[in-house]
Amino acid sequence: AQSVAQPEDQVNVAEGNPLTVKCTYSVSGNPYLFWYVQYPNRGLQFLLKYITGDNLVKGSYGFEAEFNKSQTSFHLKKPSALVSDSALYFCAVRDMDGGATNKLIFGTGTLLAVQP
Amino acid sequence: EAGVTQFPSHSVIEKGQTVTLRCDPISGHDNLYWYRRVMGKEIKFLLHFVKESKQDESGMPNNRFLAERTGGTYSTLKVQPAELEDSGVYFCASSQQLSGANVLTFGAGSRLTVL
Repeated sequence: AQSVAQPEDQVNVAEGNPLTVKCTYSVSGNPYLFWYVQYPNRGLQFLLKYITGDNLVKGSYGFEAEFNKSQTSFHLKKPSALVSDSALYFCAVRDMDGGATNKLIFGTGTLLAVQP
Repeated sequence: EAGVTQFPSHSVIEKGQTVTLRCDPISGHDNLYWYRRVMGKEIKFLLHFVKESKQDESGMPNNRFLAERTGGTYSTLKVQPAELEDSGVYFCASSQQLSGANVLTFGAGSRLTVL
């Protein structure tokens, strides 16, 4: 069955330090991978996606993610965390068995807390 | 352009009552999706409209949930009668094209609390 795993419910990091939010996936075929972020009282906002090409994908707000096919991972990273990065982060993969729907399979989310 | 708008932002009802959630997608977006996040769990797909037609409703939990998209514009999701396990955040998303690489634009969500 296709799935996305975010093994950490919460990640704590000090401002200015690098951050990593982990994501692993299980799908048939080549994956289409996405990261979304939810700030308090806001909707899900798209951060970045991997479809094909360079394994290192750059996105909004200085975030990047590295696609690793052998480890089936798509970890989200940022070189220097900001307090304003504190939010709930969701990893998602396109359901490749979903026909023409283009629906997404999401992970359970990881709460990122950046301390000043 | 205006984003995806959802109403109400929060609804508190008692078990057995009815609630209707509304979603206004981005103008011109034929594809409209409903998702739900039950507390602490993953965001799960409910259904997908292409214009006014239901393309996929495989994620709808049971027949207490009814989604409509009359005229292919806004959509409503009605829960009748509501149960405690229906509590969660209901997200609506839209996209213009139906491509695997296409990004969905989400609304802020409607939080439903069933007491």
